[in-house]
Amino acid sequence: DTGVSQDPRHKITKRGQNVTFRCDPISEHNRLYWYRQTLGQGPEFLTYFQNEAQLEKSRLLSDRFSAERPKGSFSTLEIQRTEQGDSAMYLCASSSLSEQYFGPGTRLTVT
Amino acid sequence: QKEVEQNSGPLSVPEGAIASLNCTYSDRGSQSFFWYRQYSGKSPELIMSIYSNGDKEDGRFTAQLNKASQYVSLLIRDSQPSDSATYLCAVQGNSGTYKYIFGTGTRLKVLA
Repeated sequence: DTGVSQDPRHKITKRGQNVTFRCDPISEHNRLYWYRQTLGQGPEFLTYFQNEAQLEKSRLLSDRFSAERPKGSFSTLEIQRTEQGDSAMYLCASSSLSEQYFGPGTRLTVT
Repeated sequence: QKEVEQNSGPLSVPEGAIASLNCTYSDRGSQSFFWYRQYSGKSPELIMSIYSNGDKEDGRFTAQLNKASQYVSLLIRDSQPSDSATYLCAVQGNSGTYKYIFGTGTRLKVLA
């Protein structure tokens, strides 16, 4: 257990529904990252925060995806109008300096 | 050209042998380099970080960095069946961003 927690661990939803995932980072870590991972691929960068500021967002990220980190603590990732191609593992990670630690992930299945 | 490249494998080694995993990256300004281990169905686990040219050893693991050649490697000595996993190389960019770019991973199989 790295100290990064994610909720829920699994989510099954129907196409077109909205879903929201939560990540609680290691408490002293000021940077928080979201990734998406599909089978046979490495984690694909989605976005990251330094404290409450969202500093970078992937150009590949559709506008159906949005992330927040109010007050620089936990973060949420929302996917609106889900599509079957959104099925993946969504990983959250946090870091203070350089080393980054991952949470257990949220597996999303869109039916 | 991909930003971080790894051979997808599988790389098969006998138990007790040295496993050698390689990674190349395209951004010459990259500063920080990491190796993660990922078991099937689990999230990545950090096993090594390296920031300067040369070797860094931690137990059975040795990370090697050559910035001139844009090359990072991970050696696993005395490989065990429990080392069977996918090994991900990650690179953090140059100043101005704290984004990490991951390779697709190399699947390692240690044969008992």
